[in-house]
Amino acid sequence: GIQVEQSPPDLILQEGANSTLRCNFSDSVNNLQWFHQNPWGQLINLFYIPSGTKQNGRLSATTVATERYSLLYISSSQTTDSGVYFCATVDTSYDKVIFGPGTSLSVIP
Amino acid sequence: DTAVSQTPKYLVTQMGNDKSIKCEQNLGHDTMYWYKQDSKKFLKIMFSYNNKELIINETVPNRFSPKSPDKAHLNLHINSLELGDSAVYFCASSPSGVWNTEAFFGQGTRLTVV
Repeated sequence: GIQVEQSPPDLILQEGANSTLRCNFSDSVNNLQWFHQNPWGQLINLFYIPSGTKQNGRLSATTVATERYSLLYISSSQTTDSGVYFCATVDTSYDKVIFGPGTSLSVIP
Repeated sequence: DTAVSQTPKYLVTQMGNDKSIKCEQNLGHDTMYWYKQDSKKFLKIMFSYNNKELIINETVPNRFSPKSPDKAHLNLHINSLELGDSAVYFCASSPSGVWNTEAFFGQGTRLTVV
């Protein structure tokens, strides 16, 4: 089945800094989603992005399905961006949704 | 308005008890899911229902039984709770089967078995 990796596993940023989070998958996919789990545990949809680029405010995401990766860009980070960022895809061979292990982000003032 | 809602948000119970977690979505989605998030934050799918029919059943103990009275509800019943069942359980829904489009999550239920 598909393996999903995320890097870096942990990231500490000064408020105002930019960052790039990466999601690699072991096989081609036609479905990819980014989530943010805030410090209170809530899972929030960020992007549904099987291919191409999308932007939403300070966040943007790019998926290059043929090269098996997706990137999440956070610009001008704020303390409220802290939490864990997950990417997830669907392994259609097994009809399973696979989450990456997450990137834990801490933005410090 | 809450799109996917779970109750209760917190659940503390003794080993051996039976408990249920309820989930409702008002998005008109066809597919609903249950996920378990362990202490290391790893998220794993447990069940998926499409129009009240079970389509995914991961390797989950028989003590876990999902019930879908209609496509807007997917409840999770757990028998004979064990310490290892302690985790956060998330309900989610999407417009069609197995994430052909975007999925939305509930706020999670933190289950603690003592």
